[in-house]
Amino acid sequence: GAVVSQHPSWVICKSGTSVKIECRSLDFQATTMFWYRQFPKQSLMLMATSNEGSKATYEQGVEKDKFLINHASLTLSTLTVTSAHPEDSSFYICSAGAVVGQGTQYFGPGTRLLVL
Amino acid sequence: GQNIDQPTEMTATEGAIVQINCTYQTSGFNGLFWYQQHAGEAPTFLSYNVLDGLEEKGRFSSFLSRSKGYSYLLLKELQMKDSASYLCAVKSAGNMLTFGGGTRLMVKP
Repeated sequence: GAVVSQHPSWVICKSGTSVKIECRSLDFQATTMFWYRQFPKQSLMLMATSNEGSKATYEQGVEKDKFLINHASLTLSTLTVTSAHPEDSSFYICSAGAVVGQGTQYFGPGTRLLVL
Repeated sequence: GQNIDQPTEMTATEGAIVQINCTYQTSGFNGLFWYQQHAGEAPTFLSYNVLDGLEEKGRFSSFLSRSKGYSYLLLKELQMKDSASYLCAVKSAGNMLTFGGGTRLMVKP
């Protein structure tokens, strides 16, 4: 099956630090990647849709200047949490949709961010 | 708007059958997905329905009725490892998925 990787798996950082998370589709090309955030015991909340070569589309309530998304190639998207604060602590998950087929989204393993 | 409802929690016995329901009201429909998510892990793909009817894949089956805005995931011969959250998600335009709140299934011996 399709494999999506995320790096890093865990981040612990001080308040005010910027954190960059990478999402890669390893064995398929993804024109669209999605970034989700999940708080404990809650479902996934879509933050933004990332399209290769164009600006990301952010969901309502998500600050585009705080969560910078870059989708430079068909296999890589990055999410940068700028000036992270404790309330940004969460589980960040990316997913990638294949270019062809039913468009199943395959999820990365997630990045757990803890801001102290 | 998008509205996807599924029960918050369910409990079932090892070896039994459990059905997890999902109802949806969405603007646009391009298919419905079921994902399994174990605590602390990312979701894994289980099934996809775009036409009405039943899709069977081993111990897991998923049903869709587009006219009723209804789907269910059926798990047979439950095993302890099936304890997880099950997420119903509807795909709208542009491959975007909207997730329900998830159903936490607890399988007891």
